[in-house]
Amino acid sequence: DAGITQSPRYKITETGRQVTLMCHQTWSHSYMFWYRQDLGHGLRLIYYSAAADITDKGEVPDGYVVSRSKTENFPLTLESATRSQTSVYFCASSETGSNTEAFFGQGTRLTVV
Amino acid sequence: SQKIEQNSEALNIQEGKTATLTCNYTNYSPAYLQWYRQDPGRGPVFLLLIRENEKEKRKERLKVTFDTTLKQSLFHITASQPADSATYLCASAGNNRKLIWGLGTSLAVNP
Repeated sequence: DAGITQSPRYKITETGRQVTLMCHQTWSHSYMFWYRQDLGHGLRLIYYSAAADITDKGEVPDGYVVSRSKTENFPLTLESATRSQTSVYFCASSETGSNTEAFFGQGTRLTVV
Repeated sequence: SQKIEQNSEALNIQEGKTATLTCNYTNYSPAYLQWYRQDPGRGPVFLLLIRENEKEKRKERLKVTFDTTLKQSLFHITASQPADSATYLCASAGNNRKLIWGLGTSLAVNP
């Protein structure tokens, strides 16, 4: 099916563990984004990618790692999860960056205990 | 710092009325603004994009305006329906070309 999919939808992990959130899009959009959404903060950009093998930091990158070896995949890794990383994570893609509409995945609710 | 502000208070209106949501931006001049809808437990869904030279844009029952003098965008839903109940987000690119998001305004349309 065409679209953007995230997995898993829900994840509970322990403090200190490494966890990877997956994001896959079928449109071949150049740009992909990772956001976190928390009450009182709205959507905050973690990392984005303008093309395969090109990534850049967003507003809140600390504690996260991304890679983009293929255009369609943009995984987000929490190297050593902390409770402050408990959040809802959204992946998004767009054709040409911030001046065109973004398509969002359904989100991953991550709880770090 | 560059900021987008939306009404934090939830908006409650009666079915059939026009809902008007506000988005104000400060400390930058965006070339365009985007509006999204977000339902609980789901990702935002794009609704409209308006450029600074367009002043007004329409799509079915939706209308967006862009006033660069007031540094404001208004989002209208005419003939509102209970199905329009959701949170509406405003976003635009800052000077570093990364999207800045408002916190969203929750709209409840009562039957």
